[in-house]
Amino acid sequence: NAGVTQTPKFQVLKTGQSMTLQCAQDMNHNSMYWYRQDPGMGLRLIYYSASEGTTDKGEVPNGYNVSRLNKREFSLRLESAAPSQTSVYFCASSEARPTVVYGYTFGSGTRLTVV
Amino acid sequence: AQTVTQSQPEMSVQEAETVTLSCTYDTSESDYYLFWYKQPPSRQMILVIRQEAYKQQNATENRFSVNFQKAAKSFSLKISDSQLGDAAMYFCAYRSGYGQNFVFGPGTRLSVLP
Repeated sequence: NAGVTQTPKFQVLKTGQSMTLQCAQDMNHNSMYWYRQDPGMGLRLIYYSASEGTTDKGEVPNGYNVSRLNKREFSLRLESAAPSQTSVYFCASSEARPTVVYGYTFGSGTRLTVV
Repeated sequence: AQTVTQSQPEMSVQEAETVTLSCTYDTSESDYYLFWYKQPPSRQMILVIRQEAYKQQNATENRFSVNFQKAAKSFSLKISDSQLGDAAMYFCAYRSGYGQNFVFGPGTRLSVLP
């Protein structure tokens, strides 16, 4: 039971480099999310995808792009990394039904350092 | 916009004792859900407990229980018979019944002393 799988777990980038964080879930969830976690600030939403084929900005989308490749996969891309993007990134997925709200299932996180 | 506040950046508790973590939130919505997540040093986010705003009865999960005070917009987590494995960062989170997203508090780091 893999749940939500994120790759890579750790990454060091130089300023200006690009990279893509991969996320895949095997629970047939409709909704997927990307959050960043910074000390003292909790988790902040970057982008989300309510269903296959749709994406929307969250609280802190600047400097990021996303792709909902199919129902299982939701990737996050940093086109030109900046030191301010040093953070721990979490992918999450959730079932979405009209009358029930479920919690998230999280991936194990990616620690990204931009130097 | 909704906000979630956790006023205790750090807490500590003796093993086998009881500890309560505080959480307050601000919303004008009537339909919402509240959660507590645990993040141990492994970094994995683990759902601890969930409360629907329309339910008056406080949720419980084994040693974990909540005190949900809707009028006061308070949602505290009580951990009974604390164990070393409870040491972690705890996040309170709000999710609207109308939207997709969670709003997280800044977290409380809990230490369990042997």
